[in-house]
Amino acid sequence: DSGVTQTPKHLITATGQRVTLRCSPRSGDLSVYWYQQSLDQGLQFLIQYYNGEERAKGNILERFSAQQFPDLHSELNLSSLELGDSALYFCASSVGPESYEQYFGPGTRLTVT
Amino acid sequence: AQSVTQPDIHITVSEGASLELRCNYSYGATPYLFWYVQSPGQGLQLLLKYFSGDTLVQGIKGFEAEFKRSQSSFNLRKPSVHWSDAAEYFCAVGAPESRISGGGADGLTFGKGTHLIIQP
Repeated sequence: DSGVTQTPKHLITATGQRVTLRCSPRSGDLSVYWYQQSLDQGLQFLIQYYNGEERAKGNILERFSAQQFPDLHSELNLSSLELGDSALYFCASSVGPESYEQYFGPGTRLTVT
Repeated sequence: AQSVTQPDIHITVSEGASLELRCNYSYGATPYLFWYVQSPGQGLQLLLKYFSGDTLVQGIKGFEAEFKRSQSSFNLRKPSVHWSDAAEYFCAVGAPESRISGGGADGLTFGKGTHLIIQP
C-alpha cells in the first residue's frame, strides 16, 4: 500500500459525459501527478500540481482538467468523453515540487461506452 | 525530450532462474532512472531508483539495476525469481534538466513495459 488513495476504483459512463476522478496523496506529500495508462499509448504523464498550483503539463487534452485543493487532494475532470478515453488513470504523489520519487495509487479504471 | 525503450514485450523465466530486463533511454544528460512493477489490477510500485553516485543500485524484493552511461542502459536484474515476481515491469526516466531550469519535477516518461511470466 503506497498511501495514495484513488476513488472510484471503476467507472463506466457513456460518450459525451463528464466524470471526476479523485486522489488523496500520501501524508506529507505536496505534489500530485496524473497519468493515463492505455493499451496503445502506454503510461503517459498528464499533469502535475504542487501545493495547489499547476506545476507541469504533459499530454493532457483540452477536454481534461485538474485541480488540487487546500487539503491537497486532487481531482481530474474528464469531459465530452470519447471511447478512446477508456483507460486506467493513476494518481501519484511526491514530497516536493522537484522530487522524482513518485508513489502511485491503485488507479481508476474508466470505461466509456 | 527523453524516451525509454524496453525491447522485450514478454519474457518467460523458470522459477529459480536469474532474470535481466532491459531498458534503454535517450536523454541529453544523466537522467533519473526508475523501475516500477505493476501486478494485475494494482498500481505501480517503485522497485528502485538511480539519481547519482554508485551505478549499481539495490531495490526491494531482491532486485538490483545497473546504470551504464556508455550504453544508455539501466537493466533490472534478480538472481533468482519467484512465482510472485510475475508482473509487468516498467522502466522510467525523469529529466533533471527541467528541475535545474526551475520547470518543476515534470512527469516521468515510461517505457512500454515488459511482461514477466514465471514458469514452474
